[in-house]
Amino acid sequence: EIVLTQSPGTLSLSPGERVTLSCRASQSVSSSYLAWYQQKPGQAPRLLIYGASSRATGIADRFSGSGSGTDFTLTISRLQPEDFAVYHCQQYGSLPLTFGPGTTVDIK
Amino acid sequence: QVQLQESGPGLVKPSGTLSLTCAVSGGSISSSNWWSWVRQPPGKGLEWIGEIYHSGGINYNPSLKSRVTISLDKSKNQFSLKLSSVTAADTAIYYCARSPDVVPSLYYYYMDVWGKGTTVTVSS
Repeated sequence: EIVLTQSPGTLSLSPGERVTLSCRASQSVSSSYLAWYQQKPGQAPRLLIYGASSRATGIADRFSGSGSGTDFTLTISRLQPEDFAVYHCQQYGSLPLTFGPGTTVDIK
Repeated sequence: QVQLQESGPGLVKPSGTLSLTCAVSGGSISSSNWWSWVRQPPGKGLEWIGEIYHSGGINYNPSLKSRVTISLDKSKNQFSLKLSSVTAADTAIYYCARSPDVVPSLYYYYMDVWGKGTTVTVSS
């Protein structure tokens, strides 16, 4: 089973700041099969990024993903008020599908 | 636009069986998509439970495999989850989700459509 670790656990930031979130895998994720989701309180996760760097339909271009192998990054270029949420990574290179524990981005 | 809606009892007794259904609207459960169950314990991360494909393919998380059954009802355009011998550790929000269209180059998938989730509490 591929274990995903996300860091930091919580980030306290101000609107307009640049954010970099990390997702590290316990073993290489084949073909960069890594997705990112955003989850707001009381809501279901929403797909942001798949294939490590492809934005899902309707996702703003301030969200970008990168990485390969065991190290992946989600970047938000300029935080908007609606971006304060929990971000989860998920690998789909092998079964079982696994998620990271999440990173909370909250308002400073 | 495909929409998913979970339903089922919100309270299950310990040692009982949790049963949930996910109704699919705006699309067919016989389309080229995998259909998944994912859960989230209070204040914790997401855990994949398993998935099913209309032609009969099923994959389960090994950590839950001995207790989980996922099935599909084409006539009702829905799929279901049964989790047996539940304990308080099974208390969670349960989501159903859809993966994108199957393509030859992929074996496994992410989830692009999610239900709103349903809270299940295991308590006597």
